[in-house]
Amino acid sequence: AQTVTQSQPEMSVQEAETVTLSCTYDTSENNYYLFWYKQPPSRQMILVIRQEAYKQQNATENRFSVNFQKAAKSFSLKISDSQLGDTAMYFCAFIPLEGGSQGNLIFGKGTKLSVKP
Amino acid sequence: EPEVTQTPSHQVTQMGQEVILRCVPISNHLYFYWYRQILGQKVEFLVSFYNNEISEKSEIFDDQFSVERPDGSNFTLKIRSTKLEDSAMYFCASSRFQGDGYTFGSGTRLTVV
Repeated sequence: AQTVTQSQPEMSVQEAETVTLSCTYDTSENNYYLFWYKQPPSRQMILVIRQEAYKQQNATENRFSVNFQKAAKSFSLKISDSQLGDTAMYFCAFIPLEGGSQGNLIFGKGTKLSVKP
Repeated sequence: EPEVTQTPSHQVTQMGQEVILRCVPISNHLYFYWYRQILGQKVEFLVSFYNNEISEKSEIFDDQFSVERPDGSNFTLKIRSTKLEDSAMYFCASSRFQGDGYTFGSGTRLTVV
């Protein structure tokens, strides 16, 4: 079974500091995409960042960057200069592009991040 | 920026009643999905839809569930006879191609009483 594990149910960080959210996944596929989604209290799912598994370069999106370690099946999210608006639930997810469940997002259980003033 | 629109935002229904959740995906997207999130739990895949037919469905998506794309814009999820355990947030999403990041709607909160 293909799974996503987020080992930190909750984290907190001071405003302007940096925080890293961890994610590991399990798949036998070689071709897939990885994502981080943000879910604020409004409960909307917002795409934060996307990484193609065939790319070695880590994706960045303004204050958000990832550390993608394919061999270790690890995909952590770093948030720099944390802002109060970053307070949200963060979900790691991946889409296998081959085999069963291809094209469907598989989510982790999420990490609740609180940014403190 | 294009967005996925879901209606209603919140629906309360009696157990055993039928509900239809509505979604308008982004117009040039080809793949459509329904996911649900029971409060405090992770987001679960229900069904994917492509080329006017279901391409994959999960174990959750049993005979009580159906999807339809009745016209060129709407994508609906019907639950025929709701149960208490169907209470959840239901998200519609769409994507241009497989592997593309999904764009999610803002969800419909379904409460079955």
